[in-house]
Amino acid sequence: AQTVTQSQPEMSVQEAETVTLSCTYDTSESDYYLFWYKQPPSRQMILVIRQEAYKQQNATENRFSVNFQKAAKSFSLKISDSQLGDAAMYFCAYRSARGAGNMLTFGGGTRLMVKP
Amino acid sequence: DGGITQSPKYLFRKEGQNVTLSCEQNLNHDAMYWYRQDPGQGLRLIYYSQIVNDFQKGDIAEGYSVSREKKESFPLTVTSAQKNPTAFYLCASIRAGGASGANVLTFGAGSRLTVL
Repeated sequence: AQTVTQSQPEMSVQEAETVTLSCTYDTSESDYYLFWYKQPPSRQMILVIRQEAYKQQNATENRFSVNFQKAAKSFSLKISDSQLGDAAMYFCAYRSARGAGNMLTFGGGTRLMVKP
Repeated sequence: DGGITQSPKYLFRKEGQNVTLSCEQNLNHDAMYWYRQDPGQGLRLIYYSQIVNDFQKGDIAEGYSVSREKKESFPLTVTSAQKNPTAFYLCASIRAGGASGANVLTFGAGSRLTVL
């Protein structure tokens, strides 16, 4: 079974600065997808960014980018020019590209605080 | 607008009572999921369904039951057998098939269940 680990329960960043959230995962598969979800105080889960394992290029979405290290099974999220609205819980998630279900396996989450 | 509707948003239950959480989607998605979220923790899969009249247990199915009589609906019943039901429950759905890697899990706004 796959596992996802987020080793930082809490992180804080000064507004306008950059922060990196860590995620590692364990899998024996070679084909899979990785995601970062944001959960603000409203508790609505919002997709931030996704990465296909077969792609070497790191995904980028505006101020959000990832550092995908397949051999190291690492998938960190970098938030540049942090904004107050970035304060939320962030979850890393894994999904197999094979097999039935399409279900996600989640890490335990990192609470990000943004200081004005 | 298409989306997932969960109701009720807040629910209180006395010990020994069964309660049912509603999840309806108008996205024409094939697969639907129920996740449980405890404070400070990630999401854990309870049940999922890929097609009508079929569903599978997730990691923590004990004390829960589901049905999938219609494509749009996937209600979750929390039974009295669930020893610690107080939690936040999230329903999600996804369009299966095609370029499945491009398909992203969409979440509802969640239901908060409290056992008195």
